[in-house]
Amino acid sequence: GEDVEQSLFLSVREGDSSVINCTYTDSSSTYLYWYKQEPGAGLQLLTYIFSNMDMKQDQRLTVLLNKKDKHLSLRIADTQTGDSAIYFCAEFYTGRRALTFGSGTRLQVQP
Amino acid sequence: DSGVTQTPKHLITATGQRVTLRCSPRSGDLSVYWYQQSLDQGLQFLIQYYNGEERAKGNILERFSAQQFPDLHSELNLSSLELGDSALYFCASSSGAGEGYTFGSGTRLTVV
Repeated sequence: GEDVEQSLFLSVREGDSSVINCTYTDSSSTYLYWYKQEPGAGLQLLTYIFSNMDMKQDQRLTVLLNKKDKHLSLRIADTQTGDSAIYFCAEFYTGRRALTFGSGTRLQVQP
Repeated sequence: DSGVTQTPKHLITATGQRVTLRCSPRSGDLSVYWYQQSLDQGLQFLIQYYNGEERAKGNILERFSAQQFPDLHSELNLSSLELGDSALYFCASSSGAGEGYTFGSGTRLTVV
């Protein structure tokens, strides 16, 4: 995902909040997504945000979008060991017709 | 179970060979996407089909081809395989962009 960048690794303690960041380059992006990939599994859609929104909350997940800086973040409240996985952000815009993924952030949750 | 079925789960084959990966999309989804996931390249979009027709092409090699059949299942054909083709191949389906894609559990291809 050359157009979508993420840091590679994040380690947090159980019960803390995790914040995973993503930057994208295409200002025409219409939808931005967060996916979770557990070992040996496919990608699971966690949440998405439309480009005209600033924030979206879904239980323990909060997505923040800063369109000016082309910055997307995913906050996981009360992080659990089961949240350990690789998290991918992805952008979609109609000109490309397919999701472009970042390289993924590996979240490690320490008990 | 995501509703997207990929077979086989694992495949080991020799260089120069040809393989076919199969995908059944989620019920009602007309679009099928193929992605390759490797350690050094991340998730790369290969190709999209919509209701039997090719819609978009990504970084798909000429040695690779795909098709979508009238029952909407799709096949990805990989030929003249090289060691570097070893990767996880994912199929995803969708009914519309806003809902995102639903991914299968992938086919792990190992070329020896």
